[in-house]
Amino acid sequence: EADIYQTPRYLVIGTGKKITLECSQTMGHDKMYWYQQDPGMELHLIHYSYGVNSTEKGDLSSESTVSRIRTEHFPLTLESARPSHTSQYLCASSAPPDRGNVEAFFGQGTRLTVV
Amino acid sequence: KNQVEQSPQSLIILEGKNCTLQCNYTVSPFSNLRWYKQDTGRGPVSLTIMTFSENTKSNGRYTATLDADTKQSSLHITASQLSDSASYICVVSDRGSTLGRLYFGRGTQLTVWP
Repeated sequence: EADIYQTPRYLVIGTGKKITLECSQTMGHDKMYWYQQDPGMELHLIHYSYGVNSTEKGDLSSESTVSRIRTEHFPLTLESARPSHTSQYLCASSAPPDRGNVEAFFGQGTRLTVV
Repeated sequence: KNQVEQSPQSLIILEGKNCTLQCNYTVSPFSNLRWYKQDTGRGPVSLTIMTFSENTKSNGRYTATLDADTKQSSLHITASQLSDSASYICVVSDRGSTLGRLYFGRGTQLTVWP
């Protein structure tokens, strides 16, 4: 069982609200990721981090921002939520490569609905 | 362009039957291939992982195969159970970057009927 947690699991908010999705891992992993997944579609990388004070944008353009002040936390923030942000957000972390393997563990996800 | 293609998109089988899911990829340079199971509304959970030197890996009723020459993989599920109903995602990682990028297929939605 992977020790990576996301809160909240479900969130319904009004347009224009600021929200922060939390992600925490207790495995000491340096690399962490945020993915966005629409129903029946593949995961799209929106942000990632190599470690503390490192944040990078992923493949999919996103109006969200992330921070990495501590190794175990990688929160994602939407300053002003819109209905187009409705989606599932998955957080992941990865262990150091072992003979080329990248072991990635996923949180349970946050299902966000913006009304 | 690095891509991962899965087939079929969806599959319905009866409980107790076997099935095979397919994954083709163009990711290069290849590092490893992983099959994940994702229940509805939850995060993916790893089933198997294979490097280029491995051509088969089992995890209980799940058996994955890999042909690194043709860049194809399959996931075989034996004696399916109702709890096998989920999306099965093929994920390929490269070794051409420090990040070790993960490339995701769209998944095969498997439904097991009683």
